[in-house]
Amino acid sequence: DAGVTQSPTHLIKTRGQHVTLRCSPISGHKSVSWYQQVLGQGPQFIFQYYEKEERGRGNFPDRFSARQFPNYSSELNVNALLLGDSALYLCASSLDTGTDTQYFGPGTRLTVL
Amino acid sequence: GENVEQHPSTLSVQEGDSAVIKCTYSDSASNYFPWYKQELGKRPQLIIDIRSNVGEKKDQRIAVTLNKTAKHFSLHITETQPEDSAVYFCAARSSASKIIFGSGTRLSIRP
Repeated sequence: DAGVTQSPTHLIKTRGQHVTLRCSPISGHKSVSWYQQVLGQGPQFIFQYYEKEERGRGNFPDRFSARQFPNYSSELNVNALLLGDSALYLCASSLDTGTDTQYFGPGTRLTVL
Repeated sequence: GENVEQHPSTLSVQEGDSAVIKCTYSDSASNYFPWYKQELGKRPQLIIDIRSNVGEKKDQRIAVTLNKTAKHFSLHITETQPEDSAVYFCAARSSASKIIFGSGTRLSIRP
C-alpha cells in the first residue's frame, strides 16, 4: 500500500462549492477506485477506472464525477457540495480490474460547512 | 442490491484470547473477500483476503474461512495483542466488480 498518494490531505469547503481530489496509484498499477468513508462507517464505492475508462460506478448522484489520465493518476470531482458530502475520500489502486487486491491511499478529509 | 452485513459492531476481548468477526454477503456471484484493518485516522490496510475457490486461508495469527453455500465468511484472530485494537472491515467483490464493504467491527483488546 505504500505508494498510493492523495492530495490534498485536508480540505474545507462551503455548501455549493466544487472540489477536485487527486490520486496517484502505485507505480505499475493501472486501475484506480474511489471510495467515500463517512465517520463510523465502511468505505462506500464511488467509481473504478481502468485505462482511462470507467469500469464501475456506485450509487452516487451525478454531482460526482471522475477521470483517469494517461499516467493512470485520477481526479474525483464533486459539484454543488452538500453538508452530507463531508467524509474521508479514499483512493485505492490495483494492477488492473482483474487483479483484486486494492491498496488504499491516506485519503483526503473533506469538510463542508 | 449488493450488500455485506458485518457482526458484531463492537467486540472486546481479553489479551491472549481469540476474536471472531462474521460477515454475510448477498451477491452469490461474489468471488473475492478481503479484510481490512483501519486504525484511527489512518488508511484501511489489507490484512488477509480469500478467493471463492478456497475455503480457508491462514497467515500467522489471522485466518479467514468462507462458506459459499451459506454466503458467509469470518475472520479469526488468535492470541490477540494490544496492537490488534482497531476497526476491522470485511468486503466482497460483486459481479459488477464493485467492492462492497461491511459496516465495520471495533475491536478492543483488554490488558
